[in-house]
Amino acid sequence: LAKTTQPISMDSYEGQEVNITCSHNNIATNDYITWYQQFPSQGPRFIIQGYKTKVTNEVASLFIPADRKSSTLSLPRVSLSDTAVYYCLVGDFTGFQKLVFGTGTRLLVSP
Amino acid sequence: DAGVTQSPTHLIKTRGQQVTLRCSPKSGHDTVSWYQQALGQGPQFIFQYYEEEERQRGNFPDRFSGHQFPNYSSELNVNALLLGDSALYLCASSLAGTGRDTEAFFGQGTRLTVV
Repeated sequence: LAKTTQPISMDSYEGQEVNITCSHNNIATNDYITWYQQFPSQGPRFIIQGYKTKVTNEVASLFIPADRKSSTLSLPRVSLSDTAVYYCLVGDFTGFQKLVFGTGTRLLVSP
Repeated sequence: DAGVTQSPTHLIKTRGQQVTLRCSPKSGHDTVSWYQQALGQGPQFIFQYYEEEERQRGNFPDRFSGHQFPNYSSELNVNALLLGDSALYLCASSLAGTGRDTEAFFGQGTRLTVV
């Protein structure tokens, strides 16, 4: 499983766009990139998944360059409720995939 | 449609005791995985159950064991509790297979404190 590296923490203000970058230099051809969000004392929640280029849903966008060695999670116009830990995971994410979490990025959104 | 439910939500045990945590997967899911999350760390994979058998296991001692029932629900058992077992225990369910619609859903976790 490819190892990921992401910033330990980030600070932002309400209404700003937040971009969290994840490095995964050893990503395999069959690997996808998935981001999870976790609030204190809750289980992680799936945000978005992608393989290449750009993926967008109602919550976030995921940008993946052509070499796929990194990815950027973009959260538009964050609010206080976006304060959480964000995890970047890489793998084939089939039903039997065991998820390998790093320490994640702790995002703090202030008023 | 209920998501993944875990019980109890909080638990306090004494060193040396045994504990059982329970998980009901999301409706339609047949695979259950357990994770341990220490304070300030990401979740760590313990093991995974499918068709009532342990399918794969992480780097955890034999004190950690589990079971999956015919209705796909699962239990995590920890024997001879150590102070270091204090953590948030998370259950995740998914649908077996190789398709892309195999997103894992997590429960809210069980907070175990060993004193």
